[in-house]
Amino acid sequence: DIQMTQSPSSLSASVGDRVTITCRASQGIRNDLGWYQQKPGKAPKRLIYAASSLQSGVPSRFSGSGSGTEFTLTISSLQPEDFATYYCLQHNNYPWTFGQGTKVEVK
Amino acid sequence: EVQLVESGGGLVQPGGSLRLSCEASGFTVSSYWMHWVRQVSGKGLMWVSRIDTDVSATNYADSVKGRFTVSRDNAKNTLYLQMNSLRAEDTAVYYCVRGLWGLDVWGQGTTVTVSS
Repeated sequence: DIQMTQSPSSLSASVGDRVTITCRASQGIRNDLGWYQQKPGKAPKRLIYAASSLQSGVPSRFSGSGSGTEFTLTISSLQPEDFATYYCLQHNNYPWTFGQGTKVEVK
Repeated sequence: EVQLVESGGGLVQPGGSLRLSCEASGFTVSSYWMHWVRQVSGKGLMWVSRIDTDVSATNYADSVKGRFTVSRDNAKNTLYLQMNSLRAEDTAVYYCVRGLWGLDVWGQGTTVTVSS
């Protein structure tokens, strides 16, 4: 199975901060990676697909980069509605696997 | 509007069975890969299973292989997850998800609790 190591597991930030979350795959997955945001009690919502493509309707402050084994989600200027948990997902090989999650909290 | 609505969750005893349903609207389930993903309360996400546009093509997580079966009723535009020999560790919220460049549209989830 492909292991997705996501870091950090949590971070504290303020509105307006630039936030970066990383996922490392245990083997190359091309650009078969997505980023998801989940708020308490809600289903996850996709932000980024194909590692760097912005999902329709998602604010442009979210961006993704990377290919192969190293991937990054960046929030350029954190907004109040962005405090949530973020997950990466690799869909290159079954079983598909998620990162452990990054909880973005208010500083 | 593209929407997925799960149902069928509930309380079941260990060793019991449950069938989850996921009714789709706004698109045709037979035209997409469809997935189930679960989440234990307070924990991360785990991919469970997939059914291809060709119903003979399915995949499962090792922890559910041989116990869970994913299927589809095209006439009802509905996805199913038959869960047998349930264990306490299967307790989770189960999400139905459309597959397009990974997982794009998610249902709201249905809760399965396995307990005596």
